Amino acid sequence: NAGVTQTPKFQVLKTGQSMTLQCAQDMNHEYMSWYRQDPGMGLRLIHYSVGAGITDQGEVPNGYNVSRSTTEDFPLRLLSAAPSQTSVYFCASSYRSGGRSDTQYFGPGTRLTVL
Amino acid sequence: GQSLEQPSEVTAVEGAIVQINCTYQTSGFYGLSWYQQHDGGAPTFLSYNGLDGLEETGRFSSFLSRSDSYGYLLLQELQMKDSASYFCAVRGYSGAGSYQLTFGKGTKLSVIP
Repeated sequence: NAGVTQTPKFQVLKTGQSMTLQCAQDMNHEYMSWYRQDPGMGLRLIHYSVGAGITDQGEVPNGYNVSRSTTEDFPLRLLSAAPSQTSVYFCASSYRSGGRSDTQYFGPGTRLTVL
Repeated sequence: GQSLEQPSEVTAVEGAIVQINCTYQTSGFYGLSWYQQHDGGAPTFLSYNGLDGLEETGRFSSFLSRSDSYGYLLLQELQMKDSASYFCAVRGYSGAGSYQLTFGKGTKLSVIP
């Protein structure tokens, strides 16, 4: 199993550009989520999905869109990049939500810089 | 919503024991988890407590008291490779039928010789 994969690993954007961060998992996990990590801020939830076709907003959803057309894939779209979106983005998946099966498996992260 | 408090930094000597505390406020508590993250890496799962008491996994133990909304991670026989950031996380009710996982801001552990 590859686990959770993310592409790209690094990305530099100009203000106003759009892009999609890719995330895929091969563990047949129901639950997938996107976090951003900024220095001193911990991990903050952007969007999450409890299954194909179902998404919901997290703590910091503004400026981001998601979709979940398959169990495996959960892309994160930046609509119009802003310098405030400079961060490290982690995708995570878990078998389900709640209990011991809620263990989050994280991808390696995407380091995004917006100029 | 949920909120968690943990110390921002801890320093300990190699071979010693260190305890990292976490207090939380949440609705509809569904367990406390701990994650480890080395610089430049991704968080990895360490431990989970759904019920009160101590969970032990090798050199690491985690404790939960639901009545006190408090937990801790205990690292024994510290090794240099334990230098990392440690995050507590709780899943709780965040409104509109949503149960979200919220992470603390992390504790940076430095192990010194």
